[in-house]
Amino acid sequence: AQSVTQLDSHVSVSEGTPVLLRCNYSSSYSPSLFWYVQHPNKGLQLLLKYTSAATLVKGINGFEAEFKKSETSFHLTKPSAHMSDAAEYFCVVSEDSGYALNFGKGTSLLVTP
Amino acid sequence: DTGVSQDPRHKITKRGQNVTFRCDPISEHNRLYWYRQTLGQGPEFLTYFQNEAQLEKSRLLSDRFSAERPKGSFSTLEIQRTEQGDSAMYLCASSPDVGGFEQFFGPGTRLTVL
Repeated sequence: AQSVTQLDSHVSVSEGTPVLLRCNYSSSYSPSLFWYVQHPNKGLQLLLKYTSAATLVKGINGFEAEFKKSETSFHLTKPSAHMSDAAEYFCVVSEDSGYALNFGKGTSLLVTP
Repeated sequence: DTGVSQDPRHKITKRGQNVTFRCDPISEHNRLYWYRQTLGQGPEFLTYFQNEAQLEKSRLLSDRFSAERPKGSFSTLEIQRTEQGDSAMYLCASSPDVGGFEQFFGPGTRLTVL
């Protein structure tokens, strides 16, 4: 069975400081991992994806994530937070042979001036 | 913008009524998915279509729920005899057959059952 655990339900950072959103996964197979972002009243948008290529994945808006198999982690980072980054972030896993995406419960990112 | 569209965006209904939602995927995408998202939770998978064939269904999809994609293009999700527990955001997504597993999501239909 595949699942993800987002370790923080809420994260608050100051504008201009680094962002770290933590995610651990559990999968029986070689997983595909994603981070999606959901802004209020907007649809889910893909930030980045890992599909067994480079372990350091760069996404949109300056976000990146590193796949660490030994730690079963896929943490999302950004060097400098912007006010527009405030949103709900979801870590997602999908097994190679499956089609359903399994979402974590989400981390709400608050960016303060 | 030719992204995934969903209609209606909001639906308020009384308990016991039937409701139907529509999803129009990105035109060249053969795969279509339905998810449900309740407040404070991540989306949960409901069902998946490859063209017109419904290939996977979650145990969350009770017998009151039915989804169709008759011509392999748009899809409908019907909920019969709605219950207050059905109140949620219903999300539709689509993806191509190749190029990885990225799914493109629509804006969702928010259902409120009174």
